[in-house]
Amino acid sequence: EDQVTQSPEALRLQEGESSSLNCSYTVSGLRGLFWYRQDPGKGPEFLFTLYSAGEEKEKERLKATLTKKESFLHITAPKPEDSATYLCAVQAGKTSYDKVIFGPGTSLSVIP
Amino acid sequence: NAGVTQTPKFQVLKTGQSMTLQCAQDMNHEYMSWYRQDPGMGLRLIHYSVGAGITDQGEVPNGYNVSRSTTEDFPLRLLSAAPSQTSVYFCASSLGTGSTEAFFGQGTRLTVV
Repeated sequence: EDQVTQSPEALRLQEGESSSLNCSYTVSGLRGLFWYRQDPGKGPEFLFTLYSAGEEKEKERLKATLTKKESFLHITAPKPEDSATYLCAVQAGKTSYDKVIFGPGTSLSVIP
Repeated sequence: NAGVTQTPKFQVLKTGQSMTLQCAQDMNHEYMSWYRQDPGMGLRLIHYSVGAGITDQGEVPNGYNVSRSTTEDFPLRLLSAAPSQTSVYFCASSLGTGSTEAFFGQGTRLTVV
């Protein structure tokens, strides 16, 4: 069964304290792995898409990496405005309309 | 561009009542979908549509109906609400589910009592 898990469930960081969030997946035929950010009371906001093992993408203090079984979202010198829930999702299958499976998310709090 | 617009933002229903959650997008996206989000479970796909007149079931379709008469609109209908349908509902649209980003609405928080 296709599955996506994320760890930790929650993470508290001091401002400037770098860390990583993990997304592990078991799917057949990965077509893409997505990272989203979700603020309280809002819908998810797209961050990155990764397609193949070894790929990396960066945006400001965030860097996403992908291996054959997991993805990491590295947060360098985080600021309080980085506080949010980070969602990982994978798409697998043969057609461009195969469903996307979301993980439960990691809630990140950055303390000033 | 307004993006993806959902209405209402909050709703309380009594068990057995029916209602329609509205979703509209102005980006001319082919693909639209409805998710529900429950604590600790992530977003789960309810129904999706790959274009006007074409819909299909997702992971948790029971108790929900959809239709897609236009590219812009994708309403979600609850025919007889149950407490198990208490959740936050998100509508999303994208050019496709593959490599393209999905744009989400602000969500509808539904409580069934």
